[in-house]
Amino acid sequence: DIQMTQSPSSLSASVGDRVTITCRASQNIGSALNWYQQKSGKAPHLLIYGASNVESGVPSRFSGSGSGADFTLTISSLQPEDFATYYCQQSNSFPRTFGPGTKVDIK
Amino acid sequence: ELQLVESGGGLVQPGGSLRLACEASGFPLSSYWMSWVRQAPGKGLEWVASIKQDGSETDHVDSVKGRFTISRDNAKNSLHLQMKSLRAEDTAVYYCVRGSLGLIGADLWGQGTLVAVSS
Repeated sequence: DIQMTQSPSSLSASVGDRVTITCRASQNIGSALNWYQQKSGKAPHLLIYGASNVESGVPSRFSGSGSGADFTLTISSLQPEDFATYYCQQSNSFPRTFGPGTKVDIK
Repeated sequence: ELQLVESGGGLVQPGGSLRLACEASGFPLSSYWMSWVRQAPGKGLEWVASIKQDGSETDHVDSVKGRFTISRDNAKNSLHLQMKSLRAEDTAVYYCVRGSLGLIGADLWGQGTLVAVSS
């Protein structure tokens, strides 16, 4: 099974800050990496697929990069509605596996 | 409106069974892989199972193999998860998800249904 790790596990940031979250796979997964946002008590929401493709309707301040085993989610200017937990997920093979999540809260 | 609505969750004793259902609307279920993802209280996301459009292929996470079975009824636009021999560690919110969590991600999620396994 492919193991996914994320760093940091949590961070505190202010509105307007640039935020970067890192995800690492235990093996080369090419660009088979998705990112989700989950707000408290709600279902997850797809942000990025294929490592760098922004899902329709997602604000342009969200971007993804990386390939192989190392990936990054960037929020260029944090907005109040972005405070949430972010998960990466590998789509290279079954079983699908998620990272443990990164919680972004208000500084 | 595109929507997935889960039902069938509840409180069940260890060793018991439960059948979750997911009704799809606004799109033809038959055109998509479908999946179940769960989230234990205060924990992260865990993929549970996926099923191909025509039901010819399925896959389940090891921890539920032999106990859970994903199935679908395209004529009724519905997805199911039959759960047997339930354990305390199966306690979670179960989400119905459009897609196989593959290269284009999972773009539609239900609101989730809570399964609580406790005596």
